[in-house]
Amino acid sequence: EAGVAQSPRYKIIEKRQSVAFWCNPISGHATLYWYQQILGQGPKLLIQFQNNGVVDDSQLPKDRFSAERLKGVDSTLKIQPAKLEDSAVYLCASSFRDYGLLRYEQYFGPGTRLTVT
Amino acid sequence: AQSVSQHNHHVILSEAASLELGCNYSYGGTVNLFWYVQYPGQHLQLLLKYFSGDPLVKGIKGFEAEFIKSKFSFNLRKPSVQWSDTAEYFCAVGVLNNAGNMLTFGGGTRLMVKP
Repeated sequence: EAGVAQSPRYKIIEKRQSVAFWCNPISGHATLYWYQQILGQGPKLLIQFQNNGVVDDSQLPKDRFSAERLKGVDSTLKIQPAKLEDSAVYLCASSFRDYGLLRYEQYFGPGTRLTVT
Repeated sequence: AQSVSQHNHHVILSEAASLELGCNYSYGGTVNLFWYVQYPGQHLQLLLKYFSGDPLVKGIKGFEAEFIKSKFSFNLRKPSVQWSDTAEYFCAVGVLNNAGNMLTFGGGTRLMVKP
């Protein structure tokens, strides 16, 4: 079974530039999550999608961050404009919506490491 | 909102030593509890999970964790660590909504096992 795919794996940009990250979840997983992991900290949930709809984006800094999952499969997270403090690893995860206990488990992708200079 | 605290940021052990990593959380409702592991150069992987039932749960690679509801704790244990257990370990608390689990992670514990 293929895992969660993310690209690019690394990105270096200057502050005030924009950047986008892409995620393709495991086939059949209706729920998709984006996390931000700053160096030395645990992942922090940014947004949760179910199919093509946003379930929770209460921790997403909406003045500069946006995310979409238009067709209910892959997703894009964008930062515009980037700040120095956005330097982090951006993780994507997915899970089943149903299938009993399986909906509790999230599977993580390798992440995109963003450096803002 | 829930929060998760991992007491040790760095732990260094020799092979065959016993391991216990602390995890405490704050949340007034029903939670699901997880330990994730991140080996060097790899992505986050689920080590074990607790949803309900027996508070002592067993995971992969000989790890186990005990949920103590009265202490809001979910400590990770392994009787005898190996060099290959060198990794970063994250405790996470999940609150279930109709789409899945909203996870809050602790800050992580970096474990180094000396051969």
